[in-house]
Amino acid sequence: AQKVTQAQTEISVVEKEDVTLDCVYETRDTTYYLFWYKQPPSGELVFLIRRNSFDEQNEISGRYSWNFQKSTSSFNFTITASQVVDSAVYFCALSDFYNQGGKLIFGQGTELSVKP
Amino acid sequence: NAGVTQTPKFQVLKTGQSMTLQCAQDMNHEYMSWYRQDPGMGLRLIHYSVGAGITDQGEVPNGYNVSRSTTEDFPLRLLSAAPSQTSVYFCASSLTKTNTGELFFGEGSRLTVL
Repeated sequence: AQKVTQAQTEISVVEKEDVTLDCVYETRDTTYYLFWYKQPPSGELVFLIRRNSFDEQNEISGRYSWNFQKSTSSFNFTITASQVVDSAVYFCALSDFYNQGGKLIFGQGTELSVKP
Repeated sequence: NAGVTQTPKFQVLKTGQSMTLQCAQDMNHEYMSWYRQDPGMGLRLIHYSVGAGITDQGEVPNGYNVSRSTTEDFPLRLLSAAPSQTSVYFCASSLTKTNTGELFFGEGSRLTVL
């Protein structure tokens, strides 16, 4: 069975600190996709990144970076120099390679609070 | 471009009542799905559809019914509401397997069952 675990329920940091959100997944598939979504206080879900299981290169987008390690089944997300606007709930998710029907398995979410 | 539109945004029901959450997308996406979000549990898949006329159950389908008569619409029906169905519901759509896999979500519908 597929499973995504985000062990950190809540994280609180002060602005400009770096913060890493952990994501550990379980799957028997050899090919799959991993995602991160952001849910700001307004409630909508915002797509951040998709990574396929073939590509273990780290991804950087501005202050955001992602570290995918297949050997430890982890897909961690780091925010560098955090800002108050980064305050949100962040979800890690997993799908099979063909993502039939848009089926994602979500983690429980990590609520990040960035204080000024 | 409206994207994924859900109605209503808020609804209060009494136990035993039925209702339909509407979902429409204008992006010609083949895939549509319904999720519910509960505190500490992330989002869980209720039902999904890979195209018009085709639906299937997700992780938590009990108490819900869906149909997909057109590509654009994917309504979620609560047959006899229960307090356990108090949740925030999200509809999502995506293209087929050849795309980036990104799900486009509606803004959510907050349902309270008394």
